[in-house]
Amino acid sequence: EVQLQQSGPELEKPGASVKISCKASGYSFTGYNMNWVKQSNGKSLEWIGNIDPYYGGTSYNQKFKGKATLTVDKSSSTAYMQLKSLTSEDSAVYYCARSGRYDDYAMDYWGQGTSVTVSS
Amino acid sequence: DIVLTQSPATLSVTPGDSVSLSCRASQSISNNLHWYQQKSHESPRLLIKYASQSISGIPSRFSGSGSGTDFTLSINSVETEDFGMYFCQQSNSWPHTFGAGTKLELK
Repeated sequence: EVQLQQSGPELEKPGASVKISCKASGYSFTGYNMNWVKQSNGKSLEWIGNIDPYYGGTSYNQKFKGKATLTVDKSSSTAYMQLKSLTSEDSAVYYCARSGRYDDYAMDYWGQGTSVTVSS
Repeated sequence: DIVLTQSPATLSVTPGDSVSLSCRASQSISNNLHWYQQKSHESPRLLIKYASQSISGIPSRFSGSGSGTDFTLSINSVETEDFGMYFCQQSNSWPHTFGAGTKLELK
């Protein structure tokens, strides 16, 4: 069974950084891209970017360049997203979601979401 | 960036009704359009990919159609478990973008 298990909720102060994890199981980690999606206030969804765990290559939404950094640890089948210089605008739920590497970009499995709250 | 416009914003229906949700792209995206359902306090779930391809485990009452700029998600005979938000997403060009969603609610 495919599962994406994300790390727990985070409470951070403005200006801090946070690193969220997404541990994959039930499939070949390097055979699929990992995407990250932001949802603010239960509203719509924003695609942050994705990473190819096999090569480590990344694609970012220009809006999140400089804000988000995507990495993977192939040895533990875990994807990470670091968010830096946090502001209240970064308070949201963040999801990891699997998609194909080349010809299938639909996100077929999602993590449970990680809530990030930025508050002084 | 490609803008996806979903309509209506809210759809109030009675179980048993059949409904159509619309997603319109700001430019042609071929068939690179996917539909997701999100229930309250849950993660999104993929319903339909590439405009009309069915997904294993998704009830057959969900179907998709369209290409180019106009797409439709149809639900044949809505059930109570179907109430929630529906989002479309394009993967034709970077960045991949989502629509603002349609809320399917009980009338």
